[in-house]
Amino acid sequence: AQSVAQPEDQVNVAEGNPLTVKCTYSVSGNPYLFWYVQYPNRGLQFLLKYITGDNLVKGSYGFEAEFNKSQTSFHLKKPSALVSDSALYFCAVILNTGFQKLVFGTGTRLLVSP
Amino acid sequence: NAGVMQNPRHLVRRRGQEARLRCSPMKGHSHVYWYRQLPEEGLKFMVYLQKENIIDESGMPKERFSAEFPKEGPSILRIQQVVRGDSAAYFCASSTSGMDIHLYNEQFFGPGTRLTVL
Repeated sequence: AQSVAQPEDQVNVAEGNPLTVKCTYSVSGNPYLFWYVQYPNRGLQFLLKYITGDNLVKGSYGFEAEFNKSQTSFHLKKPSALVSDSALYFCAVILNTGFQKLVFGTGTRLLVSP
Repeated sequence: NAGVMQNPRHLVRRRGQEARLRCSPMKGHSHVYWYRQLPEEGLKFMVYLQKENIIDESGMPKERFSAEFPKEGPSILRIQQVVRGDSAAYFCASSTSGMDIHLYNEQFFGPGTRLTVL
């Protein structure tokens, strides 16, 4: 089955340090990968996507993600974390079912300490 | 331009009652998706609708759950005879189109309805 996995339930990082939130995928064919962020009591906000093209994708709020086909990974990164980045991050893939059905990972909680 | 609206934001029901969750898509969006987020889990796809049509309901439980997106008005997710296991956050998303995977159109999410079944 096509899916994404987020191996870390929580990531802790100090403000100003680089952060990485991991995601690996298992899909047949070309993957269409996404990152969303969820703030408390809010809906999901789109951060970035990989469809085709450059392996390094830049998104909102200074986030970027690197698509690595050999490692089947799509890790989310930011060079310098902010306390306000603390939230729940979801990796997702679109299934090739003929329409845009998102399949989400279980989420990773990012805590950025001052 | 208002975003995706969902109401109510919080809904409490007793076992056996009905729950109606409403979703108003963004202006100009005719595609609606419903997802369910159980505690400590990711979002799970439930159903995809276009105006007056259910396109895919493969993620929806076969019994007690139904969804509609009428020509006029919001999309409705209806849960009959709720049970404690239905307690979850239900998110609606909308997009301008949804059929061509190569022309991905971002799904915009609403704030969700948190259903608690007592």
